Amino acid sequence: NAGVTQTPKFQVLKTGQSMTLQCAQDMNHEYMSWYRQDPGMGLRLIHYSVGAGITDQGEVPNGYNVSRSTTEDFPLRLLSAAPSQTSVYFCASSYSTGPGGGYTFGSGTRLTVV
Amino acid sequence: EDQVTQSPEALRLQEGESSSLNCSYTVSGLRGLFWYRQDPGKGPEFLFTLYSAGEEKEKERLKATLTKKESFLHITAPKPEDSATYLCAVQGGAQKLVFGQGTRLTINP
Repeated sequence: NAGVTQTPKFQVLKTGQSMTLQCAQDMNHEYMSWYRQDPGMGLRLIHYSVGAGITDQGEVPNGYNVSRSTTEDFPLRLLSAAPSQTSVYFCASSYSTGPGGGYTFGSGTRLTVV
Repeated sequence: EDQVTQSPEALRLQEGESSSLNCSYTVSGLRGLFWYRQDPGKGPEFLFTLYSAGEEKEKERLKATLTKKESFLHITAPKPEDSATYLCAVQGGAQKLVFGQGTRLTINP
């Protein structure tokens, strides 16, 4: 049982490049989400999904795209990287969106855009 | 709009010196208040969920309490391994977690 797995752990991109951050969970969780963490800003929600085929925007969705074709995977795509997207990205999952246990987080992807 | 404010931003204690971290929140229809621990370079680790005012939960040296406006994370006789950033989050009617900025706790031996 690996929990939530994020790849890569580190990435450096040039401005304008695109890439996909991978997130996979093996807990059969319905709810998955992406957060970015910046100094002094806390964790901010980018996109989330309540199940396969269903996604919605969070607080800071601009410049990011997501899809959820399976229960296990929830990739985050950067369409055209900008220096403002330099951050640490966390994927999280939960059994449901209702009250219950806490969300399980991955170990993060540290992204630098130059 | 749901909001979470944590204080202090940073706290330095001596080993064995008890203290409390504060999480003030505004939310429409609280579904849960969460506490997480985050170590440097790692993802947040779930500690507690509180659902209603008056509720308390304990885990080793940590005790979380909840009122209608705030939550406290009490740390009793802390050890150096308790050093971490502690995050508070609320889940309201929108079903999304909204996080505070965290309190960075350092326990000196």
